[in-house]
Amino acid sequence: DTGVSQNPRHKITKRGQNVTFRCDPISEHNRLYWYRQTLGQGPEFLTYFQNEAQLEKSRLLSDRFSAERPKGSFSTLEIQRTEQGDSAMYLCASSGTSGGDIEQFFGPGTRLTVL
Amino acid sequence: AQKVTQAQTEISVVEKEDVTLDCVYETRDTTYYLFWYKQPPSGELVFLIRRNSFDEQNEISGRYSWNFQKSTSSFNFTITASQVVDSAVYFCALISNFGNEKLTFGTGTRLTIIP
Repeated sequence: DTGVSQNPRHKITKRGQNVTFRCDPISEHNRLYWYRQTLGQGPEFLTYFQNEAQLEKSRLLSDRFSAERPKGSFSTLEIQRTEQGDSAMYLCASSGTSGGDIEQFFGPGTRLTVL
Repeated sequence: AQKVTQAQTEISVVEKEDVTLDCVYETRDTTYYLFWYKQPPSGELVFLIRRNSFDEQNEISGRYSWNFQKSTSSFNFTITASQVVDSAVYFCALISNFGNEKLTFGTGTRLTIIP
């Protein structure tokens, strides 16, 4: 059983460039989450999908951020016009199919460095 | 609003000693869920345990045990006979207001086991 996978694992970009990250959840999971983690902090919630529907977005998710889950399987997180403050680890998690399966299982993350 | 506090930023113990990681939470909801995650140096968050607010039974899993006390809003984690492989950052987290399924994390406790 494969876990959550994320690509790329590392991304270095220049300020002002656009970047896109991909997350593949555990195959039978219908819920998918994005979090952001900066050094020395716990992960902070960004957004959440149930199947293809984006149900909640944090106010941390500025207009430069957009997330999609077009077919209810993998998800992408795009950051437009990156800023140095966007440098962080971006974590994806998924959770199960029934209402009681709320444990979230995390991928290895994508570490973004904006120069 | 919900909040998780992990007052211990860093702990170091000698191998085979017991160690307790503290977690205090705040929520106005009567139904909520508490979690512990481990983040080893590799960076991937590993789910350890989930506890429901209506189940105050303590739990033991091998060398790990968890003490949930609603009266003090605490969910502490004890590692018995610590090992070097236990070195990691440990996060306590909370989901409250079921249906709003974002995890709220504490700032983590960095545990170092000295051989």
